[in-house]
Amino acid sequence: AQKVTQAQTEISVVEKEDVTLDCVYETRDTTYYLFWYKQPPSGELVFLIRRNSFDEQNEISGRYSWNFQKSTSSFNFTITASQVVDSAVYFCALSEASASGSRLTFGEGTQLTVNP
Amino acid sequence: NAGVTQTPKFQVLKTGQSMTLQCAQDMNHEYMSWYRQDPGMGLRLIHYSVGAGITDQGEVPNGYNVSRSTTEDFPLRLLSAAPSQTSVYFCASRVAGGRSTGELFFGEGSRLTVL
Repeated sequence: AQKVTQAQTEISVVEKEDVTLDCVYETRDTTYYLFWYKQPPSGELVFLIRRNSFDEQNEISGRYSWNFQKSTSSFNFTITASQVVDSAVYFCALSEASASGSRLTFGEGTQLTVNP
Repeated sequence: NAGVTQTPKFQVLKTGQSMTLQCAQDMNHEYMSWYRQDPGMGLRLIHYSVGAGITDQGEVPNGYNVSRSTTEDFPLRLLSAAPSQTSVYFCASRVAGGRSTGELFFGEGSRLTVL
């Protein structure tokens, strides 16, 4: 069975600090997909990134970057020079390609608070 | 662009009452699903559908029914509400069914309280 663990329940930083959100996953499949979603205080879920298991190249999008390491089953998310608007709950998720319906399994989420 | 629309956004029920959470999408997505979000537990899959007439159970299906008569609509029914069903419910859809793993598009959520 697939599982996603986000060990950091809450993180609090001061604006302009860099922060890394950890995500560790478990799967028996060789083909799978990893996601990050953001849930701001307004409650909606915003898609941030999707990465397949065959692409270990790290990705950078503005102040956001993602570090995918199959050797440690981790898909960590770093925000550089954090801003107050980054305050949100962040979810890591996993989907196994072989699973019927490709269900998306979410981690418990990490509440990030960026203080001015 | 409407995307995924959920109604109602807020609902208070008494134990034993029934209700239906509505979900509609206008993106012609074959795959639709319902999640519930509880503090400290992330989002858990309740039921999903890979196309009209096809539904299946997720991780926490007990107490919920679904049907999929059209591509656009995927209602979630609570037949006899219990306090344990107090939660925030999200409907989500994505392109294609089966093994596709594209991005999920979420509705804004429905906050349900069962007294």
